Order: sequence, then C-alpha cells, then structure tokens
Amino acid sequence: GAVVSQHPSRVICKSGTSVKIECRSLDFQATTMFWYRQFPKQSLMLMATSNEGSKATYEQGVEKDKFLINHASLTLSTLTVTSAHPEDSSFYICSASRPQTGQETQYFGPGTRLLVL
Amino acid sequence: AQSVTQPDIHITVSEGASLELRCNYSYGATPYLFWYVQSPGQGLQLLLKYFSGDTLVQGIKGFEAEFKRSQSSFNLRKPSVHWSDAAEYFCAVAPGTYKYIFGTGTRLKVLA
Repeated sequence: GAVVSQHPSRVICKSGTSVKIECRSLDFQATTMFWYRQFPKQSLMLMATSNEGSKATYEQGVEKDKFLINHASLTLSTLTVTSAHPEDSSFYICSASRPQTGQETQYFGPGTRLLVL
Repeated sequence: AQSVTQPDIHITVSEGASLELRCNYSYGATPYLFWYVQSPGQGLQLLLKYFSGDTLVQGIKGFEAEFKRSQSSFNLRKPSVHWSDAAEYFCAVAPGTYKYIFGTGTRLKVLA
C-alpha cells in the first residue's frame, strides 16, 4: 500500500499562535511531499513542494515565512502556520510521491482542518 | 497555460444508473492523468491513473476512465452507481513534472 497520515486531524487555535501539522508516509519513503490548501467546496491549491533535505519550493503568492515547511526525513514533512489568523482557517492536505521509473503518483493524507479563532 | 476543466459542478444520478464525469485538459503533450475521490472531510483517494498504453483504464470501486487524445479528455465512468459513491471527484493532470493541476471538482449526489 501507500499510506499517508496527517496529525492532527483537527486543530483549533487562537489568533497569533503557531500550529504545526505533520505529514508522514507510513509504508514508503517519499522523496517529495506536497502541501495543499482547500477552501470549502473548492479544489486543492498547491502551496509548496518539499524535498527531503532541501528547502521547500513555494507557489506564487504563498508566504514562505508564514507557512514554514520542514522535510527532515524521507517519511516526515511538517507545515507550521506561524502567527495564525482567522483567514488561515482552511483544510490542509499533504501528499507524498513514490517515484517508480519516473511515473509519479501522489498519495494523499486525510487532511487537517485548522480553525483560527 | 496548462489547465484542467471539469464542466459539471454537480451531478445527480439515481442509484443503479450509469455515470460519466467529464474532464478536459489543456496541454501540448500527453500528461499523466488521474482521478481522485474525496468524501466529506477526508483526504483524496486515488481511483485510477493513466500514464501510457491502453487508453481504457480500470480503477478501484468499479470505475474506469478513457483517455481520448483527440479530445484532450479523460472521462470517468461507472456502469452502475452505488449510494456510497456520493462524494467529490477530482480530475488531475501532471504535465511531465511532479506537480499536479487539479480540476475544480464534480460533486456527485446519488438518489436512492
């Protein structure tokens, strides 16, 4: 299989605090992990691409100082929302890719719902 | 610019009826193509994917999709829908890079 987990599944925090979301590939080594944001009833918007041991590549319009990404190992990537504000409330989904002969398939985590009060 | 279009925002079918969800993409070459399903409050589950070869792809849960190069389409089909198929369906393309481009999704409602 190709199982990706996220923790926590749901988090409520006060405005101004920081929140860390973990993404783990449980049964494979993921060379690349992706972080998406999904607003209600909308599609997934790619925030950043994370490769193990290197800096994340952020999409245009995504503040890298606000959304800190660390990819410390081949099975773990973290997204930290710093100084969170109500407009950061969203559903955050990670995915991990397991390259096989150049054919990339992304396996998605169950998502983390963030509510900033 | 590369894009993915899912023309139908909502589709309602009766249980047991056939289903077709449309997906069109804009890209100069043949990208990798995917269909994912998302239940409310959940992540995405891969239904099927097309990289090359046979243009009719079989997936999980009885779904299949057909790649038509001339129409730049990758439509998802199921011959008989079950109530548990009610969910949001996303088409995605990977135009030769690691990144996916997602369509806006089609929400499927199944009537008993």
